[in-house]
Amino acid sequence: KQEVTQIPAALSVPEGENLVLNCSFTDSAIYNLQWFRQDPGKGLTSLLLIQSSQREQTSGRLNASLDKSSGRSTLYIAASQPGDSATYLCAVSHDRGSTLGRLYFGRGTQLTVWP
Amino acid sequence: SQTIHQWPATLVQPVGSPLSLECTVEGTSNPNLYWYRQAAGRGLQLLFYSVGIGQISSEVPQNLSASRPQDRQFILSSKKLLLSDSGFYLCAWIGQGPATEAFFGQGTRLTVV
Repeated sequence: KQEVTQIPAALSVPEGENLVLNCSFTDSAIYNLQWFRQDPGKGLTSLLLIQSSQREQTSGRLNASLDKSSGRSTLYIAASQPGDSATYLCAVSHDRGSTLGRLYFGRGTQLTVWP
Repeated sequence: SQTIHQWPATLVQPVGSPLSLECTVEGTSNPNLYWYRQAAGRGLQLLFYSVGIGQISSEVPQNLSASRPQDRQFILSSKKLLLSDSGFYLCAWIGQGPATEAFFGQGTRLTVV
């Protein structure tokens, strides 16, 4: 059974710092990996998706990498801002034939960026 | 573009009362739909998924049920709520193909009292 772990569980940094959020998964036979953002009391917003054949994806100040063989992904946030404060979730999916694309989630990293 | 509507946003229900949460999807046809629950201090737990009308698969035995009466409608129900049913319920659409993102609704905060 796939297990996804995110470290750290919480992170508090001053504005302007570069951050790294970590995600690891036990079964490396993934279909894709996604990073999501969740604001308090809200749904999830997809930030980046990395297909299993890819190594990284970038969107603005965000960069996500994937090392499938070692079961790891990192989300890099450059020049953090108070508006980046949220919970960041990592999720992986497997072969669609057997599990229909369901997502396995980590418990998230709660990020606070203070001015 | 794909949009997921969930309602209500918040709900306070007494123990033993029935439940009906609705999710509708726009901008796609024949979507795979999912109900997740997020409890305090825990990760997202998959409750049900559906690949088409009338097709429901359950991940864990529980007090809840799901139905898909129309292609773009997914309903989560209970006949009698328990205190342990409290949580944040999220509906999701996950498309076909490895490059397709997952889209989530805004969630329903259910408090059973």
